[in-house]
Amino acid sequence: DAGVTQSPTHLIKTRGQQVTLRCSPKSGHDTVSWYQQALGQGPQFIFQYYEEEERQRGNFPDRFSGHQFPNYSSELNVNALLLGDSALYLCASSGSGAIGYTFGSGTRLTVV
Amino acid sequence: GENVEQHPSTLSVQEGDSAVIKCTYSDSASNYFPWYKQELGKRPQLIIDIRSNVGEKKDQRIAVTLNKTAKHFSLHITETQPEDSAVYFCAASLGSGGSNYKLTFGKGTLLTVNP
Repeated sequence: DAGVTQSPTHLIKTRGQQVTLRCSPKSGHDTVSWYQQALGQGPQFIFQYYEEEERQRGNFPDRFSGHQFPNYSSELNVNALLLGDSALYLCASSGSGAIGYTFGSGTRLTVV
Repeated sequence: GENVEQHPSTLSVQEGDSAVIKCTYSDSASNYFPWYKQELGKRPQLIIDIRSNVGEKKDQRIAVTLNKTAKHFSLHITETQPEDSAVYFCAASLGSGGSNYKLTFGKGTLLTVNP
């Protein structure tokens, strides 16, 4: 049973560029949440997608956007990258009515 | 919004000793409290969770206690082993852990178990 898969695992981008990160949820899960984890900090909630719509959003600027596809996979897009966007981006999937979340291994984004 | 405070930020124990990590939360409506273990470079993994209708839950060497009146919950690890060394995060969520609700995390505790 495949868990949550994220791609790419590592990424280096230049300030001002745009980036797209991808997530495939665990089999049977239909909800995808994205978190940003800065070095030495706990994960911070970015947003959550369900039925291809953004259901909740954390305190992140509009430069952060996302999408969910009919197969429940999801993308996180960040525009106009800043140095402060350097972090580990985690995807977590869950199922309707289920308890708890399963995290992917994350994408390490470095902005230079 | 919800705010979760976690203490201590670092904890060093001898193998075989017990370790306790404490968290407080601000939103009395929070009903689900998971604990995650994150080893260096790896994904957070759920190790135990508790819902608000339960005061304590155990799973082998790991236990979690919840005091809803005081709005705090704690992770207890007994008979610690070197492989318990990792960063531990507490989190809080509204509802009862269903997928509708976001997790608010503490800042983490680096646990080191010395052989």
